[in-house]
Amino acid sequence: AQKITQTQPGMFVQEKEAVTLDCTYDTSDQSYGLFWYKQPSSGEMIFLIYQGSYDEQNATEGRYSLNFQKARKSANLVISASQLGDSAMYFCAMRGSFYNTDKLIFGTGTRLQVFP
Amino acid sequence: NAGVTQTPKFRVLKTGQSMTLLCAQDMNHEYMYWYRQDPGMGLRLIHYSVGEGTTAKGEVPDGYNVSRLKKQNFLLGLESAAPSQTSVYFCASSYRTSGRTYNEQFFGPGTRLTVL
Repeated sequence: AQKITQTQPGMFVQEKEAVTLDCTYDTSDQSYGLFWYKQPSSGEMIFLIYQGSYDEQNATEGRYSLNFQKARKSANLVISASQLGDSAMYFCAMRGSFYNTDKLIFGTGTRLQVFP
Repeated sequence: NAGVTQTPKFRVLKTGQSMTLLCAQDMNHEYMYWYRQDPGMGLRLIHYSVGEGTTAKGEVPDGYNVSRLKKQNFLLGLESAAPSQTSVYFCASSYRTSGRTYNEQFFGPGTRLTVL
């Protein structure tokens, strides 16, 4: 069965430092996509970054990068130069042609708190 | 573009009452989804649709029904609300998966539902 695991319920980081949020996944599919979403206290879900299983390069979007290690089935999010506005819940998610459903499966999330 | 909108934003129901949540998107997306978010559990898929006139069950479909009569709208119905359905409900939409590229899902702002 497909599964996303985020083992860090909460993380603290000082402003301007880098932080890594862990995500491991389990799937028997060869083709899948990995996503990270941010959910601030206001509640909306904001798409951050995407990594395809066949992509050879790690994805980057501004201060966000995805450390994709396919053999270890991990897709960690790295936020560089943290800002106070980065304080939020972060969800890792996986999408693939699971039995032709194209569903998105979420982890339980990591709450990141950035302090001055 | 308004993106994905949800109506209503908040609702309080009594046990046994019925209601319909409306989701609308103006991005011409083929796929639409309904999720619920409970504390500590991430987002779980209730029902989804891969096109106008089609719907399918997700991970937690019991107690809910859906309809997609128009491509831009996806309705979630609760026929007889129960306290266990107290949750935040998110609608999402996306383009059809293209080859090995999985498109991100765009989320609505959420509906906070309380069942007494």
